[in-house]
Amino acid sequence: GAVVSQHPSWVICKSGTSVKIECRSLDFQATTMFWYRQFPKQSLMLMATSNEGSKATYEQGVEKDKFLINHASLTLSTLTVTSAHPEDSSFYICSARDRPGGNTIYFGEGSWLTVV
Amino acid sequence: DQQVKQNSPSLSVQEGRISILNCDYTNSMFDYFLWYKKYPAEGPTFLISISSIKDKNEDGRFTVFLNKSAKHLSLHIVPSQPGDSAVYFCAAAFGNEKLTFGTGTRLTIIP
Repeated sequence: GAVVSQHPSWVICKSGTSVKIECRSLDFQATTMFWYRQFPKQSLMLMATSNEGSKATYEQGVEKDKFLINHASLTLSTLTVTSAHPEDSSFYICSARDRPGGNTIYFGEGSWLTVV
Repeated sequence: DQQVKQNSPSLSVQEGRISILNCDYTNSMFDYFLWYKKYPAEGPTFLISISSIKDKNEDGRFTVFLNKSAKHLSLHIVPSQPGDSAVYFCAAAFGNEKLTFGTGTRLTIIP
């Protein structure tokens, strides 16, 4: 079945530095990927929609200059958290639909970010 | 504004019995609903989905029921197994591909 993989699974970075999280669709091409964030004991919240070859669409309240999203190919989207702060510590998850109009969305394993 | 709600944060069920997880939504535009299972520090795993043109979908031990007039859906797991212990999220979508998630229900299966 369709597989979405994220890397790294967990990362610790210092305040003020930037960290990049990759999301790959391993056996299908994804024109659209989604980035979510989950704080402890809360639901998954959509951050942005990543479109291959064009600018990402950000949800209200998500700083596009802080969370840079690049979807340069049909199998890779990256989320870069710039000038990270401790409050950015969270679980970040990407997802992709396995085909346009398909009824199933597959999620990556998630990436746990801790900013110290 | 929480458009998708799971009002029970937790649920405990005896092994072998039926687990029923509930989800309510407010946006009548939603036309596709999904259930995900999630373990701590892992990505959600897709379980089962249902389109708004149906009122029931079954896959093995999992059955999802949709009541459009009540804007309510439920996930039934029978028989419940210890490996089913996890947090379950319902999600809804319409037209585009964005999902709106509920807050989750932690299911604990008691051996």
